[in-house]
Amino acid sequence: AQTVTQSQPEMSVQEAETVTLSCTYDTSESDYYLFWYKQPPSRQMILVIRQEAYKQQNATENRFSVNFQKAAKSFSLKISDSQLGDAAMYFCAYRSGGSSDQFYFGTGTSLTVIP
Amino acid sequence: NAGVTQTPKFQVLKTGQSMTLQCAQDMNHEYMSWYRQDPGMGLRLIHYSVGAGITDQGEVPNGYNVSRSTTEDFPLRLLSAAPSQTSVYFCASSRTRTPGEQYFGPGTRLTVT
Repeated sequence: AQTVTQSQPEMSVQEAETVTLSCTYDTSESDYYLFWYKQPPSRQMILVIRQEAYKQQNATENRFSVNFQKAAKSFSLKISDSQLGDAAMYFCAYRSGGSSDQFYFGTGTSLTVIP
Repeated sequence: NAGVTQTPKFQVLKTGQSMTLQCAQDMNHEYMSWYRQDPGMGLRLIHYSVGAGITDQGEVPNGYNVSRSTTEDFPLRLLSAAPSQTSVYFCASSRTRTPGEQYFGPGTRLTVT
């Protein structure tokens, strides 16, 4: 089974600053998809950004961007101009592009935004 | 379009009791899954289904049963609740064979005393 590792249980950032959350994964597949989900205190899981492994270009969604390093099996999330509403738990997830549709999640990073 | 719905939102059970967590989606998704979320452990897959009549075990299936009689519904049954099953439970759905993300329900917080 694939494994997803988030090595930073907690991170903090000053409002308006930039923060990067780390994620690494272990796989022997060449076709797969990667996601970052946000879970605010409301508990609802919200998709932040998605990256297809076959795409070399890093995905961007407004203030959120990723640094996808396929050879290093690294998928970090950069949040620019951090806002108080960005405070949440962030989960990295992997989905196989092959016959299995299973998702694998990391253990999460709790992000605090300091006013 | 309600997305993924889960009931109840909160539940307290006594050890040994059984119950069913309900999950439904209206997006015609083939893939549905149940996760439990515990502090420091992320989301762990309990059971999943790739279509009506097809279910399979995930990482932590013991103590749980599922069935998938329709595309829309995927209930999770706790057979004999134990304190170790105290957790937050999420149901999710997605299309298969696509890069699509999973859509999550709002979660059920279950406490077993």
